[in-house]
Amino acid sequence: DQQVKQNSPSLSVQEGRISILNCDYTNSMFDYFLWYKKYPAEGPTFLISISSIKDKNEDGRFTVFLNKSAKHLSLHIVPSQPGDSAVYFCAATFRTSGTYKYIFGTGTRLKVLA
Amino acid sequence: GAGVSQSPRYKVAKRGQDVALRCDPISGHVSLFWYQQALGQGPEFLTYFQNEAQLDKSGLPSDRFFAERPEGSVSTLKIQRTQQEDSAVYLCASSLLAGAAETQYFGPGTRLLVL
Repeated sequence: DQQVKQNSPSLSVQEGRISILNCDYTNSMFDYFLWYKKYPAEGPTFLISISSIKDKNEDGRFTVFLNKSAKHLSLHIVPSQPGDSAVYFCAATFRTSGTYKYIFGTGTRLKVLA
Repeated sequence: GAGVSQSPRYKVAKRGQDVALRCDPISGHVSLFWYQQALGQGPEFLTYFQNEAQLDKSGLPSDRFFAERPEGSVSTLKIQRTQQEDSAVYLCASSLLAGAAETQYFGPGTRLLVL
């Protein structure tokens, strides 16, 4: 029962173009959605988040869009740079028994071609 | 400043051995999480501490897994009688406070291989 799904295991994009990473979820109780970036042999690094009450959040080259009716969020990176090549994880949080639980997707490997 | 550190970075264990994995969170961080990441998967929640209190251990896969954070800082994840299916990267993360909007800072992980 995967509550957070990233259906594309990999994506290749030309440098300077837009990268769009997608994530679908099933639990309508999620409070926040987050994107993490992971380089090999390192832990995930927080990139950007969005509250469930918003539909867009922007931070520099990174924008996250949330479509609650479709239970879908996406991360846009524009312009894409070779240093953006990494695995991107979508995550969602919900409150349970007085604490918060984080559910991660399986990741999408982004390759930005120079 | 120092981030989250984990040791050892790599651990090879024979099936049946006990292992202990250490996490040093960012100083002053209240929340500490342990995750298990199998190959090709995302991190899966194991357990959560708020200071020294283990508030959620619902993700621990069996009673062979045990975690502690006795003084509210360093945490240890212990796996007894390791099995091959325990092979994974074990990630530790900390956050300053507790809450959905808090940023989690991850350590580099401990890669465990059980032979």
